[in-house]
Amino acid sequence: EAGVTQFPSHSVIEKGQTVTLRCDPISGHDNLYWYRRVMGKEIKFLLHFVKESKQDESGMPNNRFLAERTGGTYSTLKVQPAELEDSGVYFCASSQGWTGWDEAFFGQGTRLTVV
Amino acid sequence: ILNVEQSPQSLHVQEGDSTNFTCSFPSSNFYALHWYRWETAKSPEALFVMTLNGDEKKKGRISATLNTKEGYSYLYIKGSQPEDSATYLCAHNNNNDMRFGAGTRLTVKP
Repeated sequence: EAGVTQFPSHSVIEKGQTVTLRCDPISGHDNLYWYRRVMGKEIKFLLHFVKESKQDESGMPNNRFLAERTGGTYSTLKVQPAELEDSGVYFCASSQGWTGWDEAFFGQGTRLTVV
Repeated sequence: ILNVEQSPQSLHVQEGDSTNFTCSFPSSNFYALHWYRWETAKSPEALFVMTLNGDEKKKGRISATLNTKEGYSYLYIKGSQPEDSATYLCAHNNNNDMRFGAGTRLTVKP
C-alpha cells in the first residue's frame, strides 16, 4: 500500500512567486492534515480536512495560503505570493477515521526555500 | 495548559542509560495522545496512540504512560542506544485536530 506522498520534495522560488504543494494521502483516508516546520522549530498545525471539507483552518498564517481538497482525494497548498518567512518544511499527514485515536501517517515533506 | 508542551527540549545521554521525557497537554476534550519518533530528513513515525487514562504502551525498549486527568504523558527509553537518537514528538488530539509539541531532541552517545 502506498504511503502519503508529497510533491515536490524540494522547491526553491523567489519572493513574490507562487508555489503549489501537493499531498496524496493514503487511499481511503478521510482526514488530511497540513503542518509546517519553520527554521528547525516545532511542527505547527495549518489545517485539517475531513474529506473535501475544511474542519479547522485556524493554523493558516494568512490569506496568502490557500488549501484545497477537491473531491476529497489529494490536497494542494498554494502560497501566493511567497515571502521569505514562508521557508520551511511542509508536512502532510492522513488518517482513516473521525476519531482522534486513528494513527496518522506522514509524508516525507516538501522543503520550501524562498529566496 | 492550553498548548502541547514537551520537556526537556533536548537531552544527551550515554549508551545504556535509561531516560524519560514529558508531554503536557490540555486535559479537556481529550481523545488521544500520540507519540512520534522523528529522524532528520525523514517523516515522523508513529510510536504509540493512547486513549485511556492509565494507559501504558510498550514497544521494545520504549514505553509510554498516560494521565488524562492531569494532562501528561511520559515516554521512557530503557537502555538507550545510539540509534534511538531522534526527536520525539507528542501530539494531542481532541477529535477536531491534532496539535504537536515542540519535541524532545534525544542524543545517545556511544
